[in-house]
Amino acid sequence: DQQVKQNSPSLSVQEGRISILNCDYTNSMFDYFLWYKKYPAEGPTFLISISSIKDKNEDGRFTVFLNKSAKHLSLHIVPSQPGDSAVYFCAASTTSGSARQLTFGSGTQLTVLP
Amino acid sequence: NAGVTQTPKFRVLKTGQSMTLLCAQDMNHEYMYWYRQDPGMGLRLIHYSVGEGTTAKGEVPDGYNVSRLKKQNFLLGLESAAPSQTSVYFCASSASNYLAYNEQFFGPGTRLTVL
Repeated sequence: DQQVKQNSPSLSVQEGRISILNCDYTNSMFDYFLWYKKYPAEGPTFLISISSIKDKNEDGRFTVFLNKSAKHLSLHIVPSQPGDSAVYFCAASTTSGSARQLTFGSGTQLTVLP
Repeated sequence: NAGVTQTPKFRVLKTGQSMTLLCAQDMNHEYMYWYRQDPGMGLRLIHYSVGEGTTAKGEVPDGYNVSRLKKQNFLLGLESAAPSQTSVYFCASSASNYLAYNEQFFGPGTRLTVL
């Protein structure tokens, strides 16, 4: 049973417009949420995170929104640029055993069209 | 400062063969992780380590063993490879902080095919 779900495998957006990537989760024990970006043939790189005690975190063109009651988070990219084309993974963190662990969604391929 | 490196980048094995994947980090991180990524799925945790000499099971540990003899290295072993282990394997590391999230830094991945 997937605890973190990204229901859109792909998204295409025109350059300059807003990209909105969505993520849903089921485990109420998750207390940090993260977005990672992955280019082909590279490892994922950290993009932005949010604690469960907040509902918004902003970093330049990237904003993450968290709706705890709906168990939903989203990543907004404004304005979108062709270099943003990548796979975006949503991840959720909780303590398990002796360390914090991440549970990843299946990813959304974002394509920004010039 | 290379960050997290993985060796090899690609490997093809026959069913039943064994191999070891090497992960090295130069950031003096306490925690290290091995993940696998399969099509249509997110990264799944295989094993992890919270420090030199320690290892623990993740979500999908069966068929794999790990060792952390040195702080900077984390080895992933397949004793008898199976086609179901065909995947892309990522290593990651993070600073130790049990009470708050610490960003995980990922290596470039190893693409393994088992025939």
